[in-house]
Parts: sequence; C-alpha cells; structure tokens
Amino acid sequence: GEDVEQSLFLSVREGDSSVINCTYTDSSSTYLYWYKQEPGAGLQLLTYIFSNMDMKQDQRLTVLLNKKDKHLSLRIADTQTGDSAIYFCAESSNDYKLSFGAGTTVTVRA
Amino acid sequence: NAGVTQTPKFQVLKTGQSMTLQCAQDMNHNSMYWYQQDPGMGLRLIYYSASEGTTDKGEVPNGYNVSRLNKREFSLRLESAAPSQTSVYFCASSGFSGSVYNEQFFGPGTRLTVL
Repeated sequence: GEDVEQSLFLSVREGDSSVINCTYTDSSSTYLYWYKQEPGAGLQLLTYIFSNMDMKQDQRLTVLLNKKDKHLSLRIADTQTGDSAIYFCAESSNDYKLSFGAGTTVTVRA
Repeated sequence: NAGVTQTPKFQVLKTGQSMTLQCAQDMNHNSMYWYQQDPGMGLRLIYYSASEGTTDKGEVPNGYNVSRLNKREFSLRLESAAPSQTSVYFCASSGFSGSVYNEQFFGPGTRLTVL
C-alpha cells in the first residue's frame, strides 16, 4: 500500500488546541479520513475531506489539506479530556482499500 | 442495529492451535475487511472481500485464511497460530461499490495472544 506517516504522540493541555499532522505519498488519493480510536474500542470515522478541498470545518474540528505537499492536518479546538484517544489518518484512491498511518496518541492533561 | 460485531473479544492460544474469528455486519454492506493492529504499526490489511463471493489478499495475508460466508459474515481463520500473530484483529465493512468514498465501519476488535 501507499505510505501514510504521522507522529506517534501528542500531549496537550485541556482547553488548548491540538494539531495532528499527517503526510501521504499517493498522489491519486481522492479522499482522506481521520479516524478516532478510544481505549479498548474499534475505530470510528471522525471526519473526512475530498481531495479537491483545502479545508473542512465541523464544530471543533478543522481539517486542512495541502495537496501539493501531500500534507493533512486535524485541529481540535478547546481540547477536552474526552478527546484523549489514538487518531489515525487514512487515504483512499480508486479501489477498495484504505491505507492507514500508525496513529497519533493524544493525551490531554489537566 | 448492532453495526459490526466480532467474536470472541479475547482469546489465548498455544502455538500450533487453530481458531476462527467471526465477524458479522447488519448494514447490508457489500465490502468487508480484516485488519491487524500492533502498537506503532497502524492497521495492516490482512484480507478483504469486495463483494459476496470474492476475497482478496491484503498486505499481510500469510498464516491466515478467510471465508465470506454470505453478505453479512466474513470469518478469519488461523490454521496454526504463531506468537508473531499476537495482535488485535479488527473487522470492518463498507458500502463501497466502486465509487471513491470508502467510509469503513469497525467492530470492537478481538485481542489474541499466542503463547
């Protein structure tokens, strides 16, 4: 599969903004996704962006896509303790498979 | 509407034993997937089934077999378990039908330890 890379850990203070970054290599990616995994659970889709968009906002979440640099980011405003989880970046092109990054573990401290 | 269900939730095997992980979805999805998750490795695709009656290898198929029993069910079999197969296994499904948007819905996972 294609490579998707993320930093492994992020620590953030409650109430601050979190920014999780992701880079990918497949220039034919059509959709890019952010999934959230809470402890002991499966992954849940948080948000996604189509490749012809630069930005998508959904309540506290902002996704930025720089297609030229193949860079995706997820910003969580006013981070809460319930946002502590592993966040996975994933991309898909014109087939059945998603390629996932290794996941970024976000720890929210009081 | 239970979504994607997996059984068992936990399993301990001895090296060389066999077992089947079960997965079912009630969303009438065409496509189903089996992933392996290890710390720091993300999710790696083991096998997938684009539609009922078809299965294909993913990134890491060695040591596994799958069966798409019907549209709802997709099982993963370990014929002779090895310690390297200690992992968390996730099943997922999607309504993907050849269009580009491929939201996948995940089950809660099976935590497998091979001694």
